[in-house]
Amino acid sequence: NAGVTQTPKFRILKIGQSMTLQCTQDMNHNYMYWYRQDPGMGLKLIYYSVGAGITDKGEVPNGYNVSRSTTEDFPLRLELAAPSQTSVYFCASAPASYGYTFGSGTRLTVV
Amino acid sequence: KQEVTQIPAALSVPEGENLVLNCSFTDSAIYNLQWFRQDPGKGLTSLLLIQSSQREQTSGRLNASLDKSSGRSTLYIAASQPGDSATYLCAVAQTGANNLFFGTGTRLTVIP
Repeated sequence: NAGVTQTPKFRILKIGQSMTLQCTQDMNHNYMYWYRQDPGMGLKLIYYSVGAGITDKGEVPNGYNVSRSTTEDFPLRLELAAPSQTSVYFCASAPASYGYTFGSGTRLTVV
Repeated sequence: KQEVTQIPAALSVPEGENLVLNCSFTDSAIYNLQWFRQDPGKGLTSLLLIQSSQREQTSGRLNASLDKSSGRSTLYIAASQPGDSATYLCAVAQTGANNLFFGTGTRLTVIP
C-alpha cells in the first residue's frame, strides 16, 4: 500500500521556469490537498479537491494551478517560478474531512 | 479566520520525563483536531484525532485532550524517549471548511 506518492523529492528551478509537482494516491480518497510549508511556519493550503473534476482555491493559490482528471492524481503546476515559491510542498488525501494521509514532500528551491 | 497557536516553539527534556505540548485555536466551531508528528525532511504522520464531541484520545504513551469551549488542546507524552524527538503539529478542521488549519509546531528534543 503506497499511500500518497509525491515526485520529485527535490528540485531547483530558475526564476521564470515552470514545473509540475506530481501527487498520486492509491486509497480511493475523494479529498486531495496541496499545502506549502515555509521554514518555521505551519502548513498553508494552496488548492484542494473534493473529487474528480472539482478543484477550489485555498489560502495561498496565487502562482499555482491544479487539475483533477482522475480520483488518483492531483498535480500542482507552477507557472513562472518566483523566489517566493521556494518552500516544501506536501500533498495529502483523505476519505472525508478527517483521516489525512500526507506524502513525504517536495523540496523546491527557486534561484 | 481560524488561528492556531502552539506553545512552546521548542522544548528540550531529559529522557524519561513526562511532558505536555499546548495548542490553542481562536474559533471553537471545529469538526475535529489532529496531532501530527513531523521528522526532519519527512512528511507528516497522524498521531491522534479527536472529534469535537470527544474530550480525549489515547494511543500508547500519548494522550491528547480537547477543551473546545476554551479553544485548547494538549498532547501529553509519558516517559519520553530519544525517538520521540520531532516536530509536533496541531491542526484543526473547522466546521464547514474543507481544510486543516495548522499551528507552527513545537520542536521537541529528548536528550539521552
